[in-house]
Amino acid sequence: EAGVAQSPRYKIIEKRQSVAFWCNPISGHATLYWYQQILGQGPKLLIQFQNNGVVDDSQLPKDRFSAERLKGVDSTLKIQPAKLEDSAVYLCASSLEAAPDSEQFFGPGTRLTVL
Amino acid sequence: GQQLNQSPQSMFIQEGEDVSMNCTSSSIFNTWLWYKQDPGEGPVLLIALYKAGELTSNGRLTAQFGITRKDSFLNISASIPSDVGIYFCAGHNTNAGKSTFGDGTTLTVKP
Repeated sequence: EAGVAQSPRYKIIEKRQSVAFWCNPISGHATLYWYQQILGQGPKLLIQFQNNGVVDDSQLPKDRFSAERLKGVDSTLKIQPAKLEDSAVYLCASSLEAAPDSEQFFGPGTRLTVL
Repeated sequence: GQQLNQSPQSMFIQEGEDVSMNCTSSSIFNTWLWYKQDPGEGPVLLIALYKAGELTSNGRLTAQFGITRKDSFLNISASIPSDVGIYFCAGHNTNAGKSTFGDGTTLTVKP
Protein backbone atom coordinates (compact mmCIF):
# COMPACT_ATOMS: atom_id res chain seq x y z
CA GLU A 1 0.00 0.00 0.00
CA ALA A 2 1.43 3.37 -1.00
CA GLY A 3 1.99 5.84 1.81
CA VAL A 4 1.19 9.52 2.04
CA ALA A 5 2.94 11.42 -0.74
CA GLN A 6 4.10 15.01 -0.43
CA SER A 7 5.82 17.38 -2.80
CA PRO A 8 8.08 19.16 -3.06
CA ARG A 9 10.41 17.67 -0.43
CA TYR A 10 12.35 20.92 -0.07
CA LYS A 11 11.60 24.53 -0.88
CA ILE A 12 13.62 27.69 -0.36
CA ILE A 13 11.94 31.05 -0.86
CA GLU A 14 12.44 34.64 0.15
CA LYS A 15 10.14 36.34 2.61
CA ARG A 16 6.98 37.81 1.14
CA GLN A 17 6.97 35.20 -1.65
CA SER A 18 4.24 32.62 -2.03
CA VAL A 19 4.57 28.86 -1.78
CA ALA A 20 2.29 25.84 -2.15
CA PHE A 21 2.61 22.29 -0.91
CA TRP A 22 0.80 19.25 -2.21
CA CYS A 23 -0.34 16.10 -0.42
CA ASN A 24 -1.80 12.85 -1.73
CA PRO A 25 -3.18 10.79 1.16
CA ILE A 26 -3.47 7.02 1.36
CA SER A 27 -6.25 5.81 -0.90
CA GLY A 28 -9.58 5.59 0.90
CA HIS A 29 -8.55 7.75 3.85
CA ALA A 30 -11.31 10.22 4.61
CA THR A 31 -9.40 12.40 7.05
CA LEU A 32 -6.43 14.56 6.11
CA TYR A 33 -4.26 16.69 8.37
CA TRP A 34 -1.65 19.40 7.81
CA TYR A 35 0.90 19.94 10.56
CA GLN A 36 3.67 22.48 11.01
CA GLN A 37 6.82 21.19 12.72
CA ILE A 38 9.34 23.83 13.73
CA LEU A 39 12.87 22.56 14.37
CA GLY A 40 13.14 21.10 17.86
CA GLN A 41 9.40 20.95 18.40
CA GLY A 42 6.59 18.49 17.91
CA PRO A 43 4.09 18.75 15.06
CA LYS A 44 1.37 21.36 15.51
CA LEU A 45 -1.95 20.83 13.78
CA LEU A 46 -2.82 23.53 11.26
CA ILE A 47 -5.95 22.11 9.67
CA GLN A 48 -7.98 18.89 9.57
CA PHE A 49 -10.26 17.84 6.72
CA GLN A 50 -12.96 15.20 6.77
CA ASN A 51 -13.46 14.37 3.09
CA ASN A 52 -13.57 17.86 1.53
CA GLY A 53 -14.91 19.67 4.60
CA VAL A 54 -12.86 21.47 7.25
CA VAL A 55 -13.17 19.93 10.73
CA ASP A 56 -10.66 22.11 12.58
CA ASP A 57 -8.66 25.10 11.37
CA SER A 58 -8.43 26.89 14.70
CA GLN A 59 -4.61 27.05 14.60
CA LEU A 60 -4.28 28.03 10.95
CA PRO A 61 -3.00 31.62 10.51
CA LYS A 62 -5.75 32.50 8.08
CA ASP A 63 -4.30 35.86 7.12
CA ARG A 64 -1.55 34.09 5.20
CA PHE A 65 -2.25 30.35 5.18
CA SER A 66 -4.95 28.61 3.16
CA ALA A 67 -5.69 24.98 2.42
CA GLU A 68 -8.13 23.12 0.27
CA ARG A 69 -9.17 19.56 -0.48
CA LEU A 70 -11.56 20.12 -3.32
CA LYS A 71 -12.45 16.56 -4.30
CA GLY A 72 -11.86 14.98 -0.93
CA VAL A 73 -8.60 13.38 -2.03
CA ASP A 74 -5.51 15.52 -2.71
CA SER A 75 -4.88 18.65 -0.72
CA THR A 76 -2.80 21.80 -1.12
CA LEU A 77 -1.52 24.14 1.57
CA LYS A 78 -0.53 27.66 0.54
CA ILE A 79 1.36 30.41 2.30
CA GLN A 80 1.04 33.91 0.91
CA PRO A 81 3.10 35.92 1.78
CA ALA A 82 5.69 33.89 3.66
CA LYS A 83 7.46 35.16 6.77
CA LEU A 84 10.78 34.09 8.25
CA GLU A 85 9.00 32.31 11.10
CA ASP A 86 7.23 30.04 8.60
CA SER A 87 10.48 28.09 8.15
CA ALA A 88 9.52 24.58 9.23
CA VAL A 89 8.66 21.11 8.00
CA TYR A 90 5.07 20.84 6.80
CA LEU A 91 3.72 17.36 7.40
CA CYS A 92 0.63 15.88 5.83
CA ALA A 93 -1.09 12.91 7.48
CA SER A 94 -4.16 10.87 6.70
CA SER A 95 -6.35 8.43 8.58
CA LEU A 96 -9.23 6.20 7.67
CA GLU A 97 -11.57 8.09 9.96
CA ALA A 98 -11.51 11.07 12.29
CA ALA A 99 -11.85 8.88 15.40
CA PRO A 100 -8.98 9.08 17.92
CA ASP A 101 -8.28 5.36 17.55
CA SER A 102 -7.87 5.70 13.79
CA GLU A 103 -4.13 5.71 13.17
CA GLN A 104 -2.63 8.72 11.44
CA PHE A 105 -0.08 7.96 8.72
CA PHE A 106 2.38 10.75 8.04
CA GLY A 107 4.10 11.72 4.82
CA PRO A 108 7.81 12.61 4.71
CA GLY A 109 7.08 16.33 4.88
CA THR A 110 8.13 19.41 2.94
CA ARG A 111 11.02 21.34 4.46
CA LEU A 112 10.46 25.08 3.89
CA THR A 113 13.22 27.60 4.36
CA VAL A 114 12.26 31.29 4.22
CA LEU A 115 15.19 33.66 3.73
CA GLY B 1 -4.14 25.50 24.67
CA GLN B 2 -3.13 22.12 26.02
CA GLN B 3 0.60 21.69 26.67
CA LEU B 4 2.61 18.51 27.00
CA ASN B 5 5.91 18.38 28.87
CA GLN B 6 8.12 15.64 27.52
CA SER B 7 11.33 14.59 29.25
CA PRO B 8 14.15 14.14 28.97
CA GLN B 9 14.84 16.38 25.99
CA SER B 10 17.70 14.14 24.87
CA MET B 11 19.39 10.91 25.92
CA PHE B 12 22.75 9.39 25.08
CA ILE B 13 22.96 5.71 25.97
CA GLN B 14 25.05 2.64 25.27
CA GLU B 15 23.69 -0.14 23.11
CA GLY B 16 21.95 -2.71 25.28
CA GLU B 17 20.80 -0.25 27.93
CA ASP B 18 17.17 0.37 28.81
CA VAL B 19 15.55 3.75 28.18
CA SER B 20 12.66 5.52 29.85
CA MET B 21 10.95 8.74 28.79
CA ASN B 22 7.74 10.36 29.92
CA CYS B 23 5.11 12.93 29.17
CA THR B 24 3.04 14.99 31.57
CA SER B 25 0.17 17.37 31.06
CA SER B 26 -1.95 19.71 33.12
CA SER B 27 -4.96 18.50 31.13
CA ILE B 28 -6.66 15.12 30.93
CA PHE B 29 -6.36 13.11 27.73
CA ASN B 30 -8.55 10.24 26.54
CA THR B 31 -5.80 8.70 24.42
CA TRP B 32 -2.01 8.70 24.62
CA LEU B 33 0.10 7.98 21.55
CA TRP B 34 3.83 7.42 21.15
CA TYR B 35 5.56 8.09 17.81
CA LYS B 36 9.11 7.75 16.47
CA GLN B 37 10.47 10.11 13.85
CA ASP B 38 13.58 9.35 11.79
CA PRO B 39 15.50 12.15 10.01
CA GLY B 40 13.71 13.34 6.89
CA GLU B 41 10.62 11.28 7.61
CA GLY B 42 7.26 11.78 9.24
CA PRO B 43 6.41 10.32 12.65
CA VAL B 44 5.40 6.66 12.79
CA LEU B 45 3.00 5.39 15.44
CA LEU B 46 4.60 2.98 17.93
CA ILE B 47 1.99 2.46 20.61
CA ALA B 48 -1.53 3.75 21.29
CA LEU B 49 -3.12 3.74 24.78
CA TYR B 50 -6.86 4.19 25.25
CA LYS B 51 -7.57 3.50 28.92
CA ALA B 52 -6.22 4.92 32.18
CA GLY B 53 -3.81 2.46 33.75
CA GLU B 54 -3.35 0.55 30.50
CA LEU B 55 0.06 -1.03 29.98
CA THR B 56 0.85 -2.04 26.41
CA SER B 57 3.90 -3.64 24.83
CA ASN B 58 5.15 -3.72 21.26
CA GLY B 59 8.29 -5.83 21.06
CA ARG B 60 10.94 -4.12 23.17
CA LEU B 61 8.69 -1.11 23.74
CA THR B 62 6.35 -0.75 26.71
CA ALA B 63 4.09 2.21 27.37
CA GLN B 64 1.63 3.05 30.11
CA PHE B 65 -1.33 5.39 30.33
CA GLY B 66 -1.18 7.10 33.72
CA ILE B 67 -4.04 6.58 36.15
CA THR B 68 -4.65 10.32 36.43
CA ARG B 69 -4.89 10.47 32.58
CA LYS B 70 -2.38 13.31 32.69
CA ASP B 71 0.78 11.36 32.01
CA SER B 72 2.33 8.50 30.11
CA PHE B 73 5.71 6.84 29.87
CA LEU B 74 7.57 4.84 27.23
CA ASN B 75 10.26 2.30 28.00
CA ILE B 76 12.63 0.75 25.48
CA SER B 77 14.51 -2.32 26.65
CA ALA B 78 17.87 -3.53 25.37
CA SER B 79 18.38 -0.61 23.00
CA ILE B 80 19.92 -1.15 19.57
CA PRO B 81 21.43 1.37 17.11
CA SER B 82 18.25 1.54 15.01
CA ASP B 83 16.36 2.91 18.03
CA VAL B 84 18.06 6.24 17.29
CA GLY B 85 15.54 8.95 16.50
CA ILE B 86 13.12 11.40 18.06
CA TYR B 87 10.30 10.01 20.16
CA PHE B 88 7.12 12.04 20.51
CA CYS B 89 4.22 11.61 22.84
CA ALA B 90 0.83 12.90 21.80
CA GLY B 91 -2.31 13.29 23.84
CA HIS B 92 -5.71 13.15 22.23
CA ASN B 93 -8.78 14.63 23.79
CA THR B 94 -12.04 13.54 22.23
CA ASN B 95 -13.72 16.82 23.19
CA ALA B 96 -11.04 18.90 21.49
CA GLY B 97 -10.96 16.44 18.60
CA LYS B 98 -7.25 16.73 17.97
CA SER B 99 -3.86 15.50 19.13
CA THR B 100 -1.33 17.64 20.98
CA PHE B 101 2.31 16.65 20.56
CA GLY B 102 5.18 16.98 23.01
CA ASP B 103 8.48 18.44 21.82
CA GLY B 104 10.19 15.08 21.63
CA THR B 105 13.01 13.11 23.22
CA THR B 106 16.06 12.69 21.00
CA LEU B 107 17.66 9.30 21.54
CA THR B 108 21.25 8.53 20.60
CA VAL B 109 22.52 4.96 20.97
CA LYS B 110 26.25 4.37 20.98
CA PRO B 111 27.35 0.97 19.64
